Amino acid sequence: AQKVTQAQTEISVVEKEDVTLDCVYETRDTTYYLFWYKQPPSGELVFLIRRNSFDEQNEISGRYSWNFQKSTSSFNFTITASQVVDSAVYFCALRGGTGTASKLTFGTGTRLQVTL
Amino acid sequence: GAVVSQHPSWVICKSGTSVKIECRSLDFQATTMFWYRQFPKQSLMLMATSNEGSKATYEQGVEKDKFLINHASLTLSTLTVTSAHPEDSSFYICSARAGTGNHGPYNSPLHFGNGTRLTVT
Repeated sequence: AQKVTQAQTEISVVEKEDVTLDCVYETRDTTYYLFWYKQPPSGELVFLIRRNSFDEQNEISGRYSWNFQKSTSSFNFTITASQVVDSAVYFCALRGGTGTASKLTFGTGTRLQVTL
Repeated sequence: GAVVSQHPSWVICKSGTSVKIECRSLDFQATTMFWYRQFPKQSLMLMATSNEGSKATYEQGVEKDKFLINHASLTLSTLTVTSAHPEDSSFYICSARAGTGNHGPYNSPLHFGNGTRLTVT
C-alpha cells in the first residue's frame, strides 16, 4: 500500500518569506517516483517536479527547491522569497513500481497563502 | 509540452440527468487516461483508469454503472455521470501520461486537464 502524508493543511506567509512544504511517504516498492503538483485557484494541476527513488540529488529550479531524503522517506519542497502568485494548493504524489497497475497516490495537499 | 484538454470546464445539470465530460490528449497519444474526483478542499481520489479499446478499471467503491467511461481512441476518453444527483457535485479531472503507449516511461509525469466542475441541482 502507498501513502502520502502532507501534515500541513494550510500555511500563511508574507511575501518574500521562505516556506517549506513537508511530504512524507510510505511504500513497499524499491522503485518509485515522487512528484509535486501545484493547483492554483483556477483548478488545473501543474506539474512541478519528478524524482525517482534512486536519485537523491536535491534539485533547484529558480525559487523552488526540493529535498529528497530517502532515510526519512521525505520529499520536502521549499519556495524561496515567496510571491503572491505562489498562492495555491500543493500536492505531493507517489507512484510505486513500474507495472501498468501502478497508480499515482496524492497527499491531502497543503494550501499556501502568500500575502503582501 | 504535453497538453490535456478537458471539456466542459463547468456544467450545471438537474438531478436525474446525465452529463458527459471529455478528456483529450492534444499532442500525444494516450492509451491510458485516469479520472480523478476532488471534493472541495480535499485531495484527488482516483476513480478509474481508462484503457483505450478495453474496459475501464474502477477503484473500489466507484460505481461503474454510474460513472461510465469510454476510451474509444488514443486521444479521447469520456466520463459520463449517469442519473446525476446532488452528491455527485464535485470537481472531476482527467489526466494522461505522455510516453510510449502503456508502458512508460513510468517516471513520466501525469498531465492533467483543467478539470470540470459539476454542480447537480
